[in-house]
Amino acid sequence: EVQLLESGGGLVQPGGSLRLSCAASDFTFDNYAMSWVRQAPGKGLEWVSAISGSGRSSYYADSVRGRVTISRDNSRSTLSLQMNSLRAEDTAVYFCAKHTGQDQVAVALDSWGHGTLVTVST
Amino acid sequence: EIVLTQSPDTLSLSPGERATLSCRASQSVSNTYLAWYQQKPGQAPRLLIYGASSRATGIPDRFSGSGSGTDFTLTITGLEPEDFAVYYCQLYGSSQFTFGPGTKVDIK
Repeated sequence: EVQLLESGGGLVQPGGSLRLSCAASDFTFDNYAMSWVRQAPGKGLEWVSAISGSGRSSYYADSVRGRVTISRDNSRSTLSLQMNSLRAEDTAVYFCAKHTGQDQVAVALDSWGHGTLVTVST
Repeated sequence: EIVLTQSPDTLSLSPGERATLSCRASQSVSNTYLAWYQQKPGQAPRLLIYGASSRATGIPDRFSGSGSGTDFTLTITGLEPEDFAVYYCQLYGSSQFTFGPGTKVDIK
């Protein structure tokens, strides 16, 4: 069974930085695109960023473009999200999710981690 | 950018009833790229339907998806107690992975 375990969340001041990680196991990590999806308290889901299996292609939501960088280390089966210039509106639970379909980005998300909470506040 | 809207915001039903949830896109989309997810409080979302009508692995056949163009539907035939949750539709494309705002199905 696919396992995704996020870490790195916490409390950060506005303007600060944070790096989230997602440790993946029990599937061939580099065969699948991955995404970060967030959910503000009491709100709906918002896709944040995606990266292809090779890591050569990445995609960002307009709300985070220029402030966030997605990356992956296929040798360690780890997905990362570097977040800079954080704002109060970035406060959310951040989920990592695996895309269905090998070597495809434009597919649904079939496995999710439990999420890590990021709080941006003074 | 394509925007997804979902209706109703909340659907109050009793166990055993049929739930019909709507997802509308602001412009026509390929039904290959439409998914539905279920989320319960404190849990991660779960993929129910992809490609507008294909059930994901392990999803009971009381869940079905349909639609094309701009209008898509998730139908739950015979609500079970565990089906009361929030449901999101999602458009996934070459560079866009937009979620709808969600429909909450609660117990009447």
